[in-house]
Amino acid sequence: AQSVTQPDIHITVSEGASLELRCNYSYGATPYLFWYVQSPGQGLQLLLKYFSGDTLVQGIKGFEAEFKRSQSSFNLRKPSVHWSDAAEYFCAVAYNDMRFGAGTRLTVKP
Amino acid sequence: NAGVTQTPKFQVLKTGQSMTLQCAQDMNHEYMSWYRQDPGMGLRLIHYSVGAGITDQGEVPNGYNVSRSTTEDFPLRLLSAAPSQTSVYFCASSQNRDRGQTGTQYFGPGTRLLVL
Repeated sequence: AQSVTQPDIHITVSEGASLELRCNYSYGATPYLFWYVQSPGQGLQLLLKYFSGDTLVQGIKGFEAEFKRSQSSFNLRKPSVHWSDAAEYFCAVAYNDMRFGAGTRLTVKP
Repeated sequence: NAGVTQTPKFQVLKTGQSMTLQCAQDMNHEYMSWYRQDPGMGLRLIHYSVGAGITDQGEVPNGYNVSRSTTEDFPLRLLSAAPSQTSVYFCASSQNRDRGQTGTQYFGPGTRLLVL
């Protein structure tokens, strides 16, 4: 069955520290891969996406993600977190339709 | 462009009542979808449509109906609301599908539904 897993429900990092959010998927073929961010009470905003080509993709707000086919992973990274990055982050995979992971809530400590 | 719009923003229903959540997009997107978001469960796909006149079920379709008579509109109907349908509902759309895959989705602002 198709699935998307975000193993970390909640992560806390200090402002200025690096961040990595994990995402694994289970699909028969390589799907399109996305990361979205949701601030409290808001809709979802696309951070970045991978369709094909270079496996390291750059997104908005200084985020990047790396697609690793052998690990069926698409982890999101940021070298230095800002307080405004506190939000919920969703990994999504798309083939005939789009499915989301359960989300990782990021808290940023001052 | 207004993008993806949803109405109403907030709705309270009594158990057994029916209602329609409206969704419209002005980007001429073929693909449209409805999700519900519940704490700890992320977004779950209810129904989707790959074009006018074509709809299909997602992960959690029970209790919901959809239709797609035009490219622009994709309403979601709750025929007999239940407390388990209390949730935040998001509509989304995306451009033409490539190789059978759904492209980047653009989300509406959401509708908060409370069923008493």
